Amino acid sequence: QKEVEQDPGPLSVPEGAIVSLNCTYSNSAFQYFMWYRQYSRKGPELLMYTYSSGNKEDGRFTAQVDKSSKYISLFIRDSQPSDSATYLCAMAIKAAGNKLTFGGGTRVLVKP
Amino acid sequence: GAVVSQHPSWVICKSGTSVKIECRSLDFQATTMFWYRQFPKQSLMLMATSNEGSKATYEQGVEKDKFLINHASLTLSTLTVTSAHPEDSSFYICSADGTSGAGEQYFGPGTRLTVT
Repeated sequence: QKEVEQDPGPLSVPEGAIVSLNCTYSNSAFQYFMWYRQYSRKGPELLMYTYSSGNKEDGRFTAQVDKSSKYISLFIRDSQPSDSATYLCAMAIKAAGNKLTFGGGTRVLVKP
Repeated sequence: GAVVSQHPSWVICKSGTSVKIECRSLDFQATTMFWYRQFPKQSLMLMATSNEGSKATYEQGVEKDKFLINHASLTLSTLTVTSAHPEDSSFYICSADGTSGAGEQYFGPGTRLTVT
């Protein structure tokens, strides 16, 4: 079993819809949680990061962490075709040098 | 803010030659930088962690004599692929530790290496 599980998709939504992405993890030692967006042949772009349970909002993005259930989510409101990309969740442990453990990525397609 | 650049973005080299890739944090200082490689449709694979002024720490299975990493300053880390072979062809991406203390990493745009 992988430490971080993420549905590979593809997830197809109409423009303007809410995109809902999830990751589950097995290692309760994870302290830091991040979401990245990666376009083809580009480096990942940091969207959200947090270290506490609860919600964090930034513009169209909301990150949610539930440490008791070992579950994180990312919501994208008012989705645009330009949001079509692969979304990666990532987690880290400070004592492990902040090395990131990634989910496998979810491919999202926003249709105009 | 928090921009990481890489140079070159794309390089072709002949088998047996060496290639150097630069990673720079443009608007912040990075004590720690990371190097990854990524194959098509796969997730990122961590190769090594480099800390400014000290030797890099390589992940299991990564040849440190083949992938030389130098982190000479708080804004620059380099990866040199020595005696490159076609199987080294890949997408190499660096990242830098953010400054918030929340474990975030900022990634460069990546370097596509093709060895002929």
